[in-house]
Amino acid sequence: AQSVTQLDSQVPVFEEAPVELRCNYSSSVSVYLFWYVQYPNQGLQLLLKYLSGSTLVKGINGFEAEFNKSQTSFHLRKPSVHISDTAEYFCAVSDLSHNTDKLIFGTGTRLQVFP
Amino acid sequence: DVKVTQSSRYLVKRTGEKVFLECVQDMDHENMFWYRQDPGLGLRLIYFSYDVKMKEKGDIPEGYSVSREKKERFSLILESASTNQTSMYLCASSWGTDFNQPQHFGDGTRLSIL
Repeated sequence: AQSVTQLDSQVPVFEEAPVELRCNYSSSVSVYLFWYVQYPNQGLQLLLKYLSGSTLVKGINGFEAEFNKSQTSFHLRKPSVHISDTAEYFCAVSDLSHNTDKLIFGTGTRLQVFP
Repeated sequence: DVKVTQSSRYLVKRTGEKVFLECVQDMDHENMFWYRQDPGLGLRLIYFSYDVKMKEKGDIPEGYSVSREKKERFSLILESASTNQTSMYLCASSWGTDFNQPQHFGDGTRLSIL
C-alpha cells in the first residue's frame, strides 16, 4: 500500500531564512502529489500539486516543490520565510494504480518561524 | 470559492452518547470525506462517499457510520462515543472522477468525549 513519510515533525527557522520540508512516498507506477498547509484552528488549504509535466511546481505564498521520481520525493521549499508561514504542512499522494480519489497523508511537519 | 462548512467548531459529549457531526459543501462536489486528525498521526480517512446514498470505508471506520441523503451534506455518526474518539474531525469535498482534483476542507470540529 502507498505510504507517505515526512521526515521532520518540527522545523524551527528564523524569519527570512530558506526552508525545505521533506516528503517521500513509497514507490508506485504513477502518482499525483500535493502539499497542504494548515494554519492554527483552520482546515487544510492546498499549497500546490504535481500532476505531470515540469518537475518543479510553483504554489501559493512563494512555495515551490520538486518532484523526483528516482528518489520518490516531493520536497517543499521557500527561499525566504515569513512569520506568517508558521503552520503545519502536510504532504499527500493520490495513488492512481488503485483507481481511487483517496489521498494518503503524511504525519505533518510543523514549521515555526522565529523573528 | 468552495465553502465546506462543519456545523460545530467545538463539541463536548459524554461516553456512550450518539454523536452527529454535520458537513455541508456548496459547490456540487460528488466526493465527500471524513478524516480524523491526531498529533503525530496526521490525517486518517474514516469514510468517504462518491455519490448520494453511497459510502465506502476508509482506513479507520470502526465505531463510526456515515449518511449522505443529499449531495451537499455528509454526516458522520459516532454510534456510542468513547474517550478514544476525542479528536479533531475534518470534512472535505472534491470534484468527480478526476483524481487530480484537490480536496477542499472545512475548519474542523474539535470533539471531546468525557
